[in-house]
Amino acid sequence: QVQLVQSGAEVKKPGASVQVSCRASGYSFSSYVIHWVRQAPGQGLEWMGRIHAGTSNTKYSEQFQGRITFTRDTSASTVYMELSSLRSEDTSIYYCARDTYDDLDFWGQGTLVTVSS
Amino acid sequence: DIQMTQSPSSLSASVGDRVTIACRASQSVRNYLNWYQQKPGKAPKLLIYAASKLQTGVPSRFSGSDSETNYTLTISGLQPEDFATYFCQQSYHTPWTFGQGTRVDIK
Repeated sequence: QVQLVQSGAEVKKPGASVQVSCRASGYSFSSYVIHWVRQAPGQGLEWMGRIHAGTSNTKYSEQFQGRITFTRDTSASTVYMELSSLRSEDTSIYYCARDTYDDLDFWGQGTLVTVSS
Repeated sequence: DIQMTQSPSSLSASVGDRVTIACRASQSVRNYLNWYQQKPGKAPKLLIYAASKLQTGVPSRFSGSDSETNYTLTISGLQPEDFATYFCQQSYHTPWTFGQGTRVDIK
């Protein structure tokens, strides 16, 4: 069965960087696009961008341009999201999700990133 | 960016009720419109894609209507497990954008 398993919670200081991983299983990793979406505590959903796991082509939300990087390791069926210059407003749950028909049909369990001094 | 506006932001309903949630896009999204359900502490779950197509495994009491800018999610016969927050999302243009959510709770 399709699964996306994310790395564990992180606590970071303002100005630091964080990397969250998303390991895929149960399907052909390189054939799909993975998106990243975040959700601040008690808030709505915010799209961050996407990466094609086969070609490594990326598209980032302009809101995060210059601070965000998506990479992938096909040998490990894993996608990575790195966010730099963290600020308190980046405290959120970060989700990876698979794109099938311009929708997000499978999601990771979420990774809480807390930014606090 | 395309703005997605949901209404209402919350509603109270009883088991067995018919519930309708609206989602309006600031411009045409050509039926690139998806609906998700989210329960506390869990990731969102895809219910409806392409405005009206039911995701595999989702009960048939969930349905979606299609239009240029106005979309609805209907739950016909609300069940106890349906109390959750629902989000619409457009995938016609990047950045993909979500509605602010509609919380459905027990009356």
